[in-house]
Amino acid sequence: EVQLVESGGGLVQPGESLRLSCAASGFTFTNYWMSWVRQAPGKGLEWVANIKEDGSEKYYVDSVKGRFTISRDNAKNSLYLQMNSLRAEDTAVYYCARGLATVDYWGQGTLVTVSS
Amino acid sequence: QSALTQPASVSGSPGQSITISCTGTSSDVGGYNYVSWYQQHPGKAPKLMIHEVSNRPSGVSNRFSGSKSGNTASLTISGLQAEDEADYYCSSYTSSRTQVFGGGTKLTVL
Repeated sequence: EVQLVESGGGLVQPGESLRLSCAASGFTFTNYWMSWVRQAPGKGLEWVANIKEDGSEKYYVDSVKGRFTISRDNAKNSLYLQMNSLRAEDTAVYYCARGLATVDYWGQGTLVTVSS
Repeated sequence: QSALTQPASVSGSPGQSITISCTGTSSDVGGYNYVSWYQQHPGKAPKLMIHEVSNRPSGVSNRFSGSKSGNTASLTISGLQAEDEADYYCSSYTSSRTQVFGGGTKLTVL
């Protein structure tokens, strides 16, 4: 069974940093692109970033370029999202998800709140 | 990276059929057969209902079907049931190797 379990969310002040983690199991992690998708409270889904199987390619939505970094550790079957210079508009549930052209499995999400 | 366009809401009575549209551009919906549809109940993670325009993952009811014409994709739900009431999102792979989502459609079963 495919499982994606996010962790690392919490309450931070504007300008601070946070690192999200996603532990993957139930599939061959090294065979898949991985993605982060977020959902602000009461709003729709927004794709944030993705990373190739070997980490050699990474793509970001414009609003996080230069502030967020996606990475993976294939030895640990883990995906990460380093979020710096956080803003109020980054407040959202962040989902770890599997896939590139089709994003098929999702974690349950971790809530990030940016507020003073 | 503009969001795909979906109607904000649709409704239907039990047993009826509804269709949700999803309009993009030639750089996403129109350029690739990688349109997906997700169902999301309140407080839950999205669930993949349709992938690659019209394919249902194992376990998804055949009441759900997808299609595409040009830059517009559609999700049809036939034989509406109370449990279908949820938010529905379309997404598409893009020419930039990213994903783009629609704004979401709230389905109300009357």
